Amino acid sequence: DTAVSQTPKYLVTQMGNDKSIKCEQNLGHDTMYWYKQDSKKFLKIMFSYNNKELIINETVPNRFSPKSPDKAHLNLHINSLELGDSAVYFCASSQAGQAHYGYTFGSGTRLTVV
Amino acid sequence: TQLLEQSPQFLSIQEGENLTVYCNSSSVFSSLQWYRQEPGEGPVLLVTVVTGGEVKKLKRLTFQFGDARKDSSLHITAAQPGDTGLYLCAGNTGTASKLTFGTGTRLQVTL
Repeated sequence: DTAVSQTPKYLVTQMGNDKSIKCEQNLGHDTMYWYKQDSKKFLKIMFSYNNKELIINETVPNRFSPKSPDKAHLNLHINSLELGDSAVYFCASSQAGQAHYGYTFGSGTRLTVV
Repeated sequence: TQLLEQSPQFLSIQEGENLTVYCNSSSVFSSLQWYRQEPGEGPVLLVTVVTGGEVKKLKRLTFQFGDARKDSSLHITAAQPGDTGLYLCAGNTGTASKLTFGTGTRLQVTL
């Protein structure tokens, strides 16, 4: 039973399209995150939600809109996709909103914009 | 902006060798974590260090947090092919649950 699961695993789409990535965790964690990993493997935080409330919103284009219907789900919707959006997107969760407990990551969604 | 620099960036060694990976910053962290990431997977937590000067051992892996809590090292003894992967350090300043990740060290261990 996967702790943090995200779908799809791979996403290939054309520039200008709108796409969504879904994430669910069954760990009972209060906090969920979206990270972007670029081609150099650098992981950068995009958003964080604690109990459905947005608590971190880094400098991300407003074409990216996270949605958390409940504390077990955090989805990422991307409008008007651009070539530069190509990357691997990781969902993660942590306990009690305390990062030092460690994050549990999903296996990633590789987004390729052509 | 907190920046965590890891060195070396790449490391290719033979089975049985020892190695050390470094993670340095000018910022003070309340805790620091090490993760290993394998191709096609997300990072997996190896250890969390919290106290300056702390040393933690996980089988052949030894982790140390600097006295000033600005740096950390990961030492692997007698590396094995199964240790191959991307090693990431990540620091937390205690604010808003945000982890800042390091630049990564790609390790390859060959037979």
